[in-house]
Amino acid sequence: GAGVSQSPSNKVTEKGKDVELRCDPISGHTALYWYRQSLGQGLEFLIYFQGNSAPDKSGLPSDRFSAERTGGSVSTLTIQRTQQEDSAVYLCASSAGTSGGPNEQFFGPGTRLTVL
Amino acid sequence: LAKTTQPISMDSYEGQEVNITCSHNNIATNDYITWYQQFPSQGPRFIIQGYKTKVTNEVASLFIPADRKSSTLSLPRVSLSDTAVYYCLVGDDYKLSFGAGTTVTVRA
Repeated sequence: GAGVSQSPSNKVTEKGKDVELRCDPISGHTALYWYRQSLGQGLEFLIYFQGNSAPDKSGLPSDRFSAERTGGSVSTLTIQRTQQEDSAVYLCASSAGTSGGPNEQFFGPGTRLTVL
Repeated sequence: LAKTTQPISMDSYEGQEVNITCSHNNIATNDYITWYQQFPSQGPRFIIQGYKTKVTNEVASLFIPADRKSSTLSLPRVSLSDTAVYYCLVGDDYKLSFGAGTTVTVRA
């Protein structure tokens, strides 16, 4: 079956512009995660969805970042008034959301964001 | 989140066994140990997960001593395609902390 998909694969924008990044999780996965990875670094947790609700937004770096998930499926990460330090690869993952320890997270290919 | 410590890098040769040890001294009772692999320009991929003793699957083994303060990922007979970054993660639910990981380079 299809894996996690993300679009666009690459995005170049100018400082101050808004961008929207999209994630299509694996069908049936109730949990969805957004991460950010800067060059040569580990992954930085941004936000976690269970269904359409986001019980943990603690990783969002500032109020310029927001995310939503509709219909328990597609999620959009929006960055307003982009800054150069927002340049990174944004990764989305989904999992079955079952209990009993950490679920296996299935990652998408990421969106590479470059802010000029 | 329990803090983990793992080597920054390791070199190996094709056909050898690679063992990566991760320290997690403040692991909590409910925490599991999970390893992910990441190739360049790709998202991480789940390798293996365990709670105690030994877990084995088709690609790796995970050894966890009784005190659970460390764990060792064992990759048998590595090939060039196993060159990647390997992350050790400790947690009990959705929030896993991916640190810098261990860069494993396999040479011919």
